[in-house]
Amino acid sequence: ETGVTQSPTHLIKTRGQQVTLRCSSQSGHNTVSWYQQALGQGPQFIFQYYREEENGRGNFPPRFSGLQFPNYSSELNVNALELDDSALYLCASSLTGRGGDVETQYFGPGTRLLVL
Amino acid sequence: GQQLNQSPQSMFIQEGEDVSMNCTSSSIFNTWLWYKQDPGEGPVLLIALYKAGELTSNGRLTAQFGITRKDSFLNISASIPSDVGIYFCAGQINYKLSFGAGTTVTVRA
Repeated sequence: ETGVTQSPTHLIKTRGQQVTLRCSSQSGHNTVSWYQQALGQGPQFIFQYYREEENGRGNFPPRFSGLQFPNYSSELNVNALELDDSALYLCASSLTGRGGDVETQYFGPGTRLLVL
Repeated sequence: GQQLNQSPQSMFIQEGEDVSMNCTSSSIFNTWLWYKQDPGEGPVLLIALYKAGELTSNGRLTAQFGITRKDSFLNISASIPSDVGIYFCAGQINYKLSFGAGTTVTVRA
């Protein structure tokens, strides 16, 4: 077990709704990254949070947003849900050192989102 | 973004056989990682490689970071039933991980 926890485990929403997913990072880690994994594919990078700010972003629209809290936990928010947003959402925690190097990422179990 | 080509896409192997899979990219990475994902779970880190040419083992697993920094392979020796799952390669540069599409391994008892 990595010590990274995510909630909820499963979620069903309808098109147009908004959703918030949560992640608690592993003890000692200060960085959280979010990934979307569609069925049969590898995870795709959404964004990363470090020092409570977005540290980098993949090719996802602005309706995907996030937060990081002082205890390093994080939220992923998705507005105006679309059918194609149905996927497993993974968070990964890691340690970013003083030099800015991001160390190995450890994944949580994911939240399975179904949009109807 | 960076695209990783992972092969084979799937494989059926006999228990006790050795398995090989690899990953290539058009981009250079600073770190190569191999993860295994079981159904309904998140990817679990198997091996991390930090230096071009590095060869690292973890039990029956061996992985190498290609000299060009654009490829990596993973070998599993003497496969057992619990090796079933999806194996992903991932390349890291700065903060971002880019994943391959995965290799699905099924073991015949």
